[in-house]
Amino acid sequence: ETGVTQSPTHLIKTRGQQVTLRCSSQSGHNTVSWYQQALGQGPQFIFQYYREEENGRGNFPPRFSGLQFPNYSSELNVNALELDDSALYLCASSSSAGPRLSYTFGSGTRLTVV
Amino acid sequence: AQSVSQHNHHVILSEAASLELGCNYSYGGTVNLFWYVQYPGQHLQLLLKYFSGDPLVKGIKGFEAEFIKSKFSFNLRKPSVQWSDTAEYFCAVRDNDMRFGAGTRLTVKP
Repeated sequence: ETGVTQSPTHLIKTRGQQVTLRCSSQSGHNTVSWYQQALGQGPQFIFQYYREEENGRGNFPPRFSGLQFPNYSSELNVNALELDDSALYLCASSSSAGPRLSYTFGSGTRLTVV
Repeated sequence: AQSVSQHNHHVILSEAASLELGCNYSYGGTVNLFWYVQYPGQHLQLLLKYFSGDPLVKGIKGFEAEFIKSKFSFNLRKPSVQWSDTAEYFCAVRDNDMRFGAGTRLTVKP
């Protein structure tokens, strides 16, 4: 059973650029959630995808967008990068959107915006 | 919307000391509560979870947590910590999505 894999592991971008982060969910999981974890803070919920549709969104602007593919892998896109977007981006998968299921997390993508 | 607060930002203990990390949540519905641990440079790992039933939940690595509904609390405990428990600990509550507290950094001195 493979876990959640994220790519790339590290990334440096310039302010104003666009970035795409990728996540492969654990085998058998159809729900993917994305989180932003700034230094010294807890993960902040960005959005969740369930069966290729957005299934909830946190307090993030529209320049944060996502996709989920038929194989349940997912992308997080951030446009017009700002310095404050520098953070660890975490992807988590679960086998449904139900509240009783715990997530499996990836190791994250460390994004630095300069 | 649900929210989680963790009272302690950084806790420093000596090995063999007892641990209790506070967690309070605000949510009016049925709660599903979790504690995750993040070791340096590693991904978040589930320590334990509470859905219903016995309010005292046993997790991995000797951790346990007690759900006290009247206090909206879900504190994490361990009777005797080890140096290897040095990590960041996150309390979380889940409805449709999972919301995390700000985390507590635990440093255990050998």
